[in-house]
Amino acid sequence: AQSVTQLDSQVPVFEEAPVELRCNYSSSVSVYLFWYVQYPNQGLQLLLKYLSGSTLVKGINGFEAEFNKSQTSFHLRKPSVHISDTAEYFCAVSDLTGGFKTIFGAGTRLFVKA
Amino acid sequence: NAGVTQTPKFRVLKTGQSMTLLCAQDMNHEYMYWYRQDPGMGLRLIHYSVGEGTTAKGEVPDGYNVSRLKKQNFLLGLESAAPSQTSVYFCASSYSETQYFGPGTRLLVL
Repeated sequence: AQSVTQLDSQVPVFEEAPVELRCNYSSSVSVYLFWYVQYPNQGLQLLLKYLSGSTLVKGINGFEAEFNKSQTSFHLRKPSVHISDTAEYFCAVSDLTGGFKTIFGAGTRLFVKA
Repeated sequence: NAGVTQTPKFRVLKTGQSMTLLCAQDMNHEYMYWYRQDPGMGLRLIHYSVGEGTTAKGEVPDGYNVSRLKKQNFLLGLESAAPSQTSVYFCASSYSETQYFGPGTRLLVL
């Protein structure tokens, strides 16, 4: 079974400052890793994903994440945030078996202040 | 393409009433999922389907039933609603590892 822990429930940050949202996972098998973003009153949309290969993954809106197998982490980073990045961010893992069942973390609310 | 759509957007039920939530996708995806989202708990998988005519239980299936009679539709049923089922329900579909989500249905059970 897999599990996902997002280490911060809320992250306030000033506009143009860097941000890191932390995610740790556990799994006894190989998994795919994801970050999804949810803007207010909307569904989730994919920000980026790690399937294999390079451990540094770039996504939309200037976000990137690094897969660290030894630390079982997949932290999300952005060097300079904008007000429009205010949203809830979910880390997720999916097994490679049929159905791609996905386990989501509890979410991190990013609040960007002017 | 409309993507993934959900009907209704919002509903209020009384305890013991029944209802069906409809999810439709126009992307010809094989896999479909129903989640519930509660504050501080992220999304939890209720049921999923790997193809037309098939369904399987997720993490929190109790109190819910599903059907996938057509590839493009995935129905979630509550036979006897309880206040604990007050939540936001999201449907998603996929053809591989990336899921595409609908806008959600907000359900309040009194």
